[in-house]
Amino acid sequence: AQSVTQPDIHITVSEGASLELRCNYSYGATPYLFWYVQSPGQGLQLLLKYFSGDTLVQGIKGFEAEFKRSQSSFNLRKPSVHWSDAAEYFCAVGRNQAGTALIFGKGTTLSVSS
Amino acid sequence: DTEVTQTPKHLVMGMTNKKSLKCEQHMGHRAMYWYKQKAKKPPELMFVYSYEKLSINESVPSRFSPECPNSSLLNLHLHALQPEDSALYLCASSPGTGMRDTQYFGPGTRLTVL
Repeated sequence: AQSVTQPDIHITVSEGASLELRCNYSYGATPYLFWYVQSPGQGLQLLLKYFSGDTLVQGIKGFEAEFKRSQSSFNLRKPSVHWSDAAEYFCAVGRNQAGTALIFGKGTTLSVSS
Repeated sequence: DTEVTQTPKHLVMGMTNKKSLKCEQHMGHRAMYWYKQKAKKPPELMFVYSYEKLSINESVPSRFSPECPNSSLLNLHLHALQPEDSALYLCASSPGTGMRDTQYFGPGTRLTVL
């Protein structure tokens, strides 16, 4: 069965420091992978997605993610974090059945300290 | 434009009330979704509509009744809810229901059941 694991429940990063949020997936074939961000009380905003091709994917707000098949990972990175990046981050994989939806990880809460 | 709108933003209702949540998109998407999200948890899929037909019902209690009047609109009718139904209700849409069809989320309706 497909699954997504986000090992870190909560991460605190200093403003201006680099960020890496981890995501591991379980799926036999090539997965379709997504990162979403959710500010408190808001909906989910798509940061980036990976379907195929170049394994380094650029997204909005200066985020990027790298797909590593050998490690079953799709980690999200940002070189310099801003206070406004504090939010909940969800990694998700497209579910492999018709008329389907997303399988989400449990999320990582990012706090930014000044 | 990748906007999904939801009304109302907040809703407080008693256990005997009947209310409805509304979702709208004008991106020409043919799939629409309802998710329920409790605090500090990922969204949980409730319903999927594909080409205005209900294609997935994730064993949701009958006190939640979805309706898709046309390809742009999705409603969720609520009746005799329980306090544990209090949550953020998210609507999403996507071009289709394939694994690589990106879902775009609305801002959500914060529902409180008294």
